[in-house]
Amino acid sequence: NAGVTQTPKFRILKIGQSMTLQCTQDMNHNYMYWYRQDPGMGLKLIYYSVGAGITDKGEVPNGYNVSRSTTEDFPLRLELAAPSQTSVYFCASSYSPSRGQETQYFGPGTRLLVL
Amino acid sequence: GENVEQHPSTLSVQEGDSAVIKCTYSDSASNYFPWYKQELGKGPQLIIDIRSNVGEKKDQRIAVTLNKTAKHFSLHITETQPEDSAVYFCAAPLGWVWGNTPLVFGKGTRLSVIA
Repeated sequence: NAGVTQTPKFRILKIGQSMTLQCTQDMNHNYMYWYRQDPGMGLKLIYYSVGAGITDKGEVPNGYNVSRSTTEDFPLRLELAAPSQTSVYFCASSYSPSRGQETQYFGPGTRLLVL
Repeated sequence: GENVEQHPSTLSVQEGDSAVIKCTYSDSASNYFPWYKQELGKGPQLIIDIRSNVGEKKDQRIAVTLNKTAKHFSLHITETQPEDSAVYFCAAPLGWVWGNTPLVFGKGTRLSVIA
């Protein structure tokens, strides 16, 4: 298994541009997550999904959109890039049976710079 | 919502010494407490977790302790080695884990093991 893959690895955007960060997992996990990591600030949850067709906001959803049309893919969309969105973005997935939380597996991250 | 405080933010130890990282959480209903290790340029990876029905869990040189009364949990690394140098994150769920409860992460501890 490749686990969680993310593309691109690095991207520079101009203010106001749009882009989609791709995330794919091959572990048949039902839950997927998007986090952003700013220096010294840990991981902040942007959006998450408990299954295909179901998404929910996390702690910092403003300026982002997501969709989950398949179990494997969970793209993150930035419509109008702003300098405040400069960060490292991590996608993660987990299998969460009824007994509760399980291990989250993280991708390698996408480094985004908005100028 | 859940608040997770992590201390210290940086920690330097001599090789062979022990390292302890502490986290406190605010929601007494939380019942799952994972620790993640993030090496430079990579995504976080789970190293150990503990559930509220136990007070301590060990895995070779790594141990986690949980004090539900005081609402804090700690990561203990014994006989530290240079490869333990990384950023460590604690996390706790938003309340009782029931299916789709997201995690809240601490801000991280940068551990440096000096050879």
